[in-house]
Amino acid sequence: RKEVEQDPGPFNVPEGATVAFNCTYSNSASQSFFWYRQDCRKEPKLLMSVYSSGNEDGRFTAQLNRASQYISLLIRDSKLSDSATYLCVVNPTGNQFYFGTGTSLTVIP
Amino acid sequence: NAGVTQTPKFRVLKTGQSMTLLCAQDMNHEYMYWYRQDPGMGLRLIYYSASEGTTDKGEVPNGYNVSRLNKREFSLRLESAAPSQTSVYFCASSSPHMGTEAFFGQGTRLTVV
Repeated sequence: RKEVEQDPGPFNVPEGATVAFNCTYSNSASQSFFWYRQDCRKEPKLLMSVYSSGNEDGRFTAQLNRASQYISLLIRDSKLSDSATYLCVVNPTGNQFYFGTGTSLTVIP
Repeated sequence: NAGVTQTPKFRVLKTGQSMTLLCAQDMNHEYMYWYRQDPGMGLRLIYYSASEGTTDKGEVPNGYNVSRLNKREFSLRLESAAPSQTSVYFCASSSPHMGTEAFFGQGTRLTVV
């Protein structure tokens, strides 16, 4: 079983739409969770960390459900500039980062 | 502040040739990583290093060797390149503290023909 699993999409949404991504992780002892953004042919960059209590950064909201072992990312009022691949990342032990395969988002004018 | 720097950015190799990818970070991070990224496969860990002089295998180590030259630098060597090693290679670094993120270099696009 993979450490992290994501729906690859693609998600094609109109500007202004709300879109949600989920991912699941296999190691119930995992402590650190992140969402990264990757633009085409570029390196992954941190979008936001995911905290147990959930956290929000502008139009982006991340939540963690430990009981079901899934992480979610909600993007409100989608912009064209949000088009990218979103990677779910789990660091179970502090020394290795496990990446999902990524979910592709295209925001359409 | 350069962050994580990888060289080269692009390379074409013939099957059987060797090459070394270099990674340097200026953030004083203990951990460094080498990943490869292939379509539909996501980022897969090749090797990582927790400190100078130590390295550990990741998910896909076969065909690669690594060396943690010092705290700043971590190299990845392909001794005899194969077409299956055509990929985008990313170096990353992080501190050992739980909850801290990994920072990535810009990647090396390698084609083996």
